[in-house]
Amino acid sequence: AQSVTQPDIHITVSEGASLELRCNYSYGATPYLFWYVQSPGQGLQLLLKYFSGDTLVQGIKGFEAEFKRSQSSFNLRKPSVHWSDAAEYFCAVGAGDYKLSFGAGTTVTVRA
Amino acid sequence: DAGITQSPRYKITETGRQVTLMCHQTWSHSYMFWYRQDLGHGLRLIYYSAAADITDKGEVPDGYVVSRSKTENFPLTLESATRSQTSVYFCASSRIGTGENYGYTFGSGTRLTVV
Repeated sequence: AQSVTQPDIHITVSEGASLELRCNYSYGATPYLFWYVQSPGQGLQLLLKYFSGDTLVQGIKGFEAEFKRSQSSFNLRKPSVHWSDAAEYFCAVGAGDYKLSFGAGTTVTVRA
Repeated sequence: DAGITQSPRYKITETGRQVTLMCHQTWSHSYMFWYRQDLGHGLRLIYYSAAADITDKGEVPDGYVVSRSKTENFPLTLESATRSQTSVYFCASSRIGTGENYGYTFGSGTRLTVV
């Protein structure tokens, strides 16, 4: 079965600084990989996903993620963080059977 | 409006009571899912359904019951609520597909408190 690890529980970043959130997955074949964002009291919104092709994926809100098969990673990045990016971020992996496994999440705090 | 809706948004219930959380989607997606979200655990799959009358257990099914008599509805019932079931519950749906078509859409969640 597939699994996901998000090593960072909480990250604090200054507004305007860059952000990188780590995600490591465990799955034997090429997985479907997702990043979701959850604002306080809200549901989950899809930021981006990878399923094949170009390993650098562009998403909404200026986010991008890079799939690295050799490192079993799918790290999320944003060059310049805005205060509205403060939220919880979830990485998820799917194996094509329609069940997604989620990481425990990383909470991002943005300081002025 | 088309989408996936959960009700109620908030629910407080007493230990031992039965409570049902509702999930309704308007896309006719084949797959539907129930997840619970707890601090430090992310989202964990409770039950899922591949079609009407087809359901299966996920990672944490104990204490929960589901049914799916119609494609658009997927209610989750806590047969006898316990404090450990205090959580935020998310329903999601997915169409059948691969590649670009693969992925979930989530409801807004139900925050359940068992006292």
